[in-house]
Amino acid sequence: GQNIDQPTEMTATEGAIVQINCTYQTSGFNGLFWYQQHAGEAPTFLSYNVLDGLEEKGRFSSFLSRSKGYSYLLLKELQMKDSASYLCAHNAGNMLTFGGGTRLMVKP
Amino acid sequence: DARVTQTPRHKVTEMGQEVTMRCQPILGHNTVFWYRQTMMQGLELLAYFRNRAPLDDSGMPKDRFSAEMPDATLATLKIQPSEPRDSAVYFCASGQPTGVGGYTFGSGTRLTVV
Repeated sequence: GQNIDQPTEMTATEGAIVQINCTYQTSGFNGLFWYQQHAGEAPTFLSYNVLDGLEEKGRFSSFLSRSKGYSYLLLKELQMKDSASYLCAHNAGNMLTFGGGTRLMVKP
Repeated sequence: DARVTQTPRHKVTEMGQEVTMRCQPILGHNTVFWYRQTMMQGLELLAYFRNRAPLDDSGMPKDRFSAEMPDATLATLKIQPSEPRDSAVYFCASGQPTGVGGYTFGSGTRLTVV
């Protein structure tokens, strides 16, 4: 997506915490999604933030600041299986537009 | 678990041939998206429908691509004629317009045009 920015790649260690940032610019913003995509598979839904603040779901948390056009996905207690691409997407005008994704590599 | 079903899973075709990809959205979902994913471009939105009506297909090359929803249980994406640059994974996703609960993706159709 031209107006969604996230880092291309990140590396972290098993058991650690990693934060993946996403910034966006859009009008008619309705919410911010995070998806996980393992290589060769379809994206799977992780979280959807509509209001500002932090939402926690097990080891994963997602934060949104609408005024700053900023979101992050926080992954705790990293596991090897968390190695995947993480896609940020905004729901604007009820149209779902994705960023390029962040490829996360978890190392032992 | 409710799922979005896409067929075929894989398709290899020769340049110039027609390709039709199908998607069965989750029952009750009235918003359907078609995406194309390549290594270079990531996930590109091609078209989307609400209540079977096309709302946006600006991301789709109009000269060769067409998308339809003949009924609530079937969405189709057609390429005619196909070209090697169309080789990609094509995903369908469905959900509610508000996005609450997330949009669910199908397993995708991996298209190779030779």
